Amino acid sequence: EAGVTQFPSHSVIEKGQTVTLRCDPISGHDNLYWYRRVMGKEIKFLLHFVKESKQDESGMPNNRFLAERTGGTYSTLKVQPAELEDSGVYFCASSQDRDYEQYFGPGTRLTVT
Amino acid sequence: LAKTTQPISMDSYEGQEVNITCSHNNIATNDYITWYQQFPSQGPRFIIQGYKTKVTNEVASLFIPADRKSSTLSLPRVSLSDTAVYYCLVGDLSYNTDKLIFGTGTRLQVFP
Repeated sequence: EAGVTQFPSHSVIEKGQTVTLRCDPISGHDNLYWYRRVMGKEIKFLLHFVKESKQDESGMPNNRFLAERTGGTYSTLKVQPAELEDSGVYFCASSQDRDYEQYFGPGTRLTVT
Repeated sequence: LAKTTQPISMDSYEGQEVNITCSHNNIATNDYITWYQQFPSQGPRFIIQGYKTKVTNEVASLFIPADRKSSTLSLPRVSLSDTAVYYCLVGDLSYNTDKLIFGTGTRLQVFP
């Protein structure tokens, strides 16, 4: 069974540009999470989808970040416009039931120059 | 959610048992203790979860004393491939969110 996949693996963009990250959860997992680690900091929660609904978006840093999960399958995280402090690794995770066993993807490394 | 404290780093040699202790003095009655492992360039991976006493699976054991203010992850006979960062997390599944809150983790280096 395929695990959580993320695309791209690495993205380099200039400040002010837009980037869209994609996450494909494990098939059948209703719960999808976004996390990120910015340079030198801890992994931080961004938001949680249950199917296509946002269950918890308390970790979204500001309105430059927009997450969607149309149809309750894959999810996208758009950053527009990107700022230097957005650089970091963005992780996606999914789980079947609400519990702490979440399956993480390899992450997308975002570099904003 | 309860805050956790772990050693920043630990060193070990192949074949040894490694014990990583995590402090969570403010753990609440409904909180569970969960450990994740992360290799470089990969996402975190669930290792083990427990509430009290001892839990064992094919990868590790988790020891939780009666007061639950700390927990110890035990890795038997480590190998070079166990070199990773280990995170201790504490959280309550009964709340309306199961977001994970990561601390700094413990960087384990296993030497030949």
